[in-house]
Amino acid sequence: DAGITQSPRHKVTETGTPVTLRCHQTENHRYMYWYRQDPGHGLRLIHYSYGVKDTDKGEVSDGYSVSRSKTEDFLLTLESATSSQTSVYFCAISEERGGSSFQEQFFGPGTRLTVL
Amino acid sequence: GNSVTQMEGPVTLSEEAFLTINCTYTATGYPSLFWYVQYPGEGLQLLLKATKADDKGSNKGFEATYRKETTSFHLEKGSVQVSDSAVYFCALTGTGGFKTIFGAGTRLFVKA
Repeated sequence: DAGITQSPRHKVTETGTPVTLRCHQTENHRYMYWYRQDPGHGLRLIHYSYGVKDTDKGEVSDGYSVSRSKTEDFLLTLESATSSQTSVYFCAISEERGGSSFQEQFFGPGTRLTVL
Repeated sequence: GNSVTQMEGPVTLSEEAFLTINCTYTATGYPSLFWYVQYPGEGLQLLLKATKADDKGSNKGFEATYRKETTSFHLEKGSVQVSDSAVYFCALTGTGGFKTIFGAGTRLFVKA
């Protein structure tokens, strides 16, 4: 199994509080991603990173920010949590394969976040 | 833009029944296609993949063939087991890209 951990695994917080989720990898993969999973929506990309300090927005980035100061860590921050951000958050990693478009992703175990 | 459409669930089958989960896609060029599986309480894991037209991906008795003419990548298994109960996601990565687009997922229940 790919070495990907997420912390915390579960969190309950109140509306308006800041929340930071951490993703840590031991695979030295270049690309890292944050997704949220909601019923009926599959996985939606929040932000992604293509290297240290190189990040970009995904399709549902409003209300979220990210940082990647080291290859192995990718942080997702909710500056002021809202109830609509209650979800399960997954981190994923991938690596280049000789320029091929084949990009298998490896997923962490997820963080269940509840915003009251 | 790229997109993936898969059949809505849930799909409920008896053990040893034949499984088909339909997946169609929209993409320019030659994307790579994937099926991921998610067991309860876990993250997604790759089930199988195909990187060019007419390729057949297979794993654990599951198969899917990359059909460019019909832009499809349907998942099949000849005889499902209770342990196959999970959510299945069809996905694609565009030509030269690294971002993956996921379908909404299809939940499969297999009864003993």
